[in-house]
Amino acid sequence: SQTIHQWPATLVQPVGSPLSLECTVEGTSNPNLYWYRQAAGRGLQLLFYSVGIGQISSEVPQNLSASRPQDRQFILSSKKLLLSDSGFYLCAWSVLGTGGRTFGSGTRLTVV
Amino acid sequence: GESVGLHLPTLSVQEGDNSIINCAYSNSASDYFIWYKQESGKGPQFIIDIRSNMDKRQGQRVTVLLNKTVKHLSLQIAATQPGDSAVYFCAETNDMRFGAGTRLTVKP
Repeated sequence: SQTIHQWPATLVQPVGSPLSLECTVEGTSNPNLYWYRQAAGRGLQLLFYSVGIGQISSEVPQNLSASRPQDRQFILSSKKLLLSDSGFYLCAWSVLGTGGRTFGSGTRLTVV
Repeated sequence: GESVGLHLPTLSVQEGDNSIINCAYSNSASDYFIWYKQESGKGPQFIIDIRSNMDKRQGQRVTVLLNKTVKHLSLQIAATQPGDSAVYFCAETNDMRFGAGTRLTVKP
């Protein structure tokens, strides 16, 4: 069966520090991968998606970047965090042709 | 781009009552829809889906209705329980974007 792992669950980082959130998927090949951010009481904002290794599409200009070094690994990064980067970050995957996304458990990032 | 949106941001119901959560979409070419449930501090979880060649689909205590004429779908939860309290999102799967969701609160 397919599983998605996202870590850490919570993270408190000072302004100006770097960020690296990792997401891995097991049990499937060549998944579409997504990073979403969710502000408190808000919907899901798509940040990045990837249809293959090294292929990253960015939805909104921001202080973040994403990379896909391996087929089932998706990394969200920042060189210098801003206060506005605080939020709940969710990784998700889907298989081309199905559309439905399976979400990870999320990372609560607080930038102080 | 086109996106999926929600009619109501919050819904409060009594335990045992039926709940109806509504969703409007704008892409008339959409052919597959999913409802997700997101509990506090967790990622969204799949509840039920429906394809555009159907107008109704039933699961366990949940029913999704699709009206393609007015581009509207709804999620009905029968005999709502406290464990149903969560934010509910609809998603049109050709669009990777989600609406704000509806927060369902079940009062004992």
